[in-house]
Amino acid sequence: GGIITQTPKFLIGQEGQKLTLKCQQNFNHDTMYWYRQDSGKGLRLIYYSITENDLQKGDLSEGYDASREKKSSFSLTVTSAQKNEMAVFLCASSISWGVYAEQFFGPGTRLTVL
Amino acid sequence: QQQVRQSPQSLTVWEGETAILNCSYENSAFDYFPWYQQFPGEGPALLIAIRSVSDKKEDGRFTIFFNKREKKLSLHITDSQPGDSATYFCAGYNTNTGKLTFGDGTVLTVKP
Repeated sequence: GGIITQTPKFLIGQEGQKLTLKCQQNFNHDTMYWYRQDSGKGLRLIYYSITENDLQKGDLSEGYDASREKKSSFSLTVTSAQKNEMAVFLCASSISWGVYAEQFFGPGTRLTVL
Repeated sequence: QQQVRQSPQSLTVWEGETAILNCSYENSAFDYFPWYQQFPGEGPALLIAIRSVSDKKEDGRFTIFFNKREKKLSLHITDSQPGDSATYFCAGYNTNTGKLTFGDGTVLTVKP
């Protein structure tokens, strides 16, 4: 088994601020993902990294940057937080990129922008 | 464009009843459909999945029925338990892009 750790659990920022969310996995998985979940909505893919030195934009990448520091860690930066923004950011990992590769999710970081 | 639609948005059943959660999709490139279960304060977890070559997948109390022609599927939870109360997401895997597309979820409440 393994675990995905996301820090911080809660993040409160100011409008225009640059904010960084971190994710660590100990599954030794190759592929990692960042999703955004708005209240009452499904998950939308922001960035993903197929292998350690790869970075790919998802459907919602505008306003975000990502960094795969090493195989086990994947960070997401909100480049300029939007006022009244509230969402949960979920990190996930899978053993590889592909259709039958189950994605394992962390507990999320809850962002509030004042 | 909502590529994966789920209904109802919320569902309440009594303990022991069968809960039926519906999902439909538009993209013919979807060929694998996982269902995720999410409890409050947690990330989603894979519950059960089906490939488009099958019309039924069963795992204990959880069964997926799949109709490829109509682009519809449903998750049946038999003998529902209060511990099944959660949000359930249907997703479709796009073989062209390699990405999962999620529906907006169904919030299930099972009353004792």
